[in-house]
Amino acid sequence: QKEVEQNSGPLSVPEGAIASLNCTYSDRGSQSFFWYRQYSGKSPELIMFIYSNGDKEDGRFTAQLNKASQYVSLLIRDSQPSDSATYLCAVNSFIIKAAGNKLTFGGGTRVLVKP
Amino acid sequence: SAVISQKPSRDICQRGTSLTIQCQVDSQVTMMFWYRQQPGQSLTLIATANQGSEATYESGFVIDKFPISRPNLTFSTLTVSNMSPEDSSIYLCSVEKGETYNEQFFGPGTRLTVL
Repeated sequence: QKEVEQNSGPLSVPEGAIASLNCTYSDRGSQSFFWYRQYSGKSPELIMFIYSNGDKEDGRFTAQLNKASQYVSLLIRDSQPSDSATYLCAVNSFIIKAAGNKLTFGGGTRVLVKP
Repeated sequence: SAVISQKPSRDICQRGTSLTIQCQVDSQVTMMFWYRQQPGQSLTLIATANQGSEATYESGFVIDKFPISRPNLTFSTLTVSNMSPEDSSIYLCSVEKGETYNEQFFGPGTRLTVL
């Protein structure tokens, strides 16, 4: 059974600091990796996806992927109180659209950014 | 991304009844997905719905309990049948959007409470 593990938190960070979130996965066949942000009472919002080893930056967010070690991380630079949310890691066995595509989600990490 | 709407946004239902949830997308998509998010939990995939074919259910979910329709490329319904309090959850639809890659985008969700 494919598993995706995240520390449930809460991860408490002061405003302006870097929040570092980690996610490990069990299936070596996983090919694409996603980070979703979910505010309380709202649906998940896609913020990053990555499928190549290394770093991918988008604004204050950086996703890091290491397939050999089977982990993916998310860095949030200059954290703001508005970043307080639950961050969900998800993995997929495919990169491109294909029959059988599906996401497996981790349990999520709750992040609290304190002013 | 995609603009996705769900109806109803929330409902309170009696045990033993059924509720049909609608998911509408603003453009044609091949694959639609239905998830459940129980209180304080992460997302669990119920089934994948492709237009013109039977839905594919995940382990633990059966068609008699969660019948799905996919009559065209912009619409799907999920019915929660013979409800019990254990079905109280948020139900989310998502779509794969984009030309090539498999990013999924979520609708706003339907919050279901079963008494």
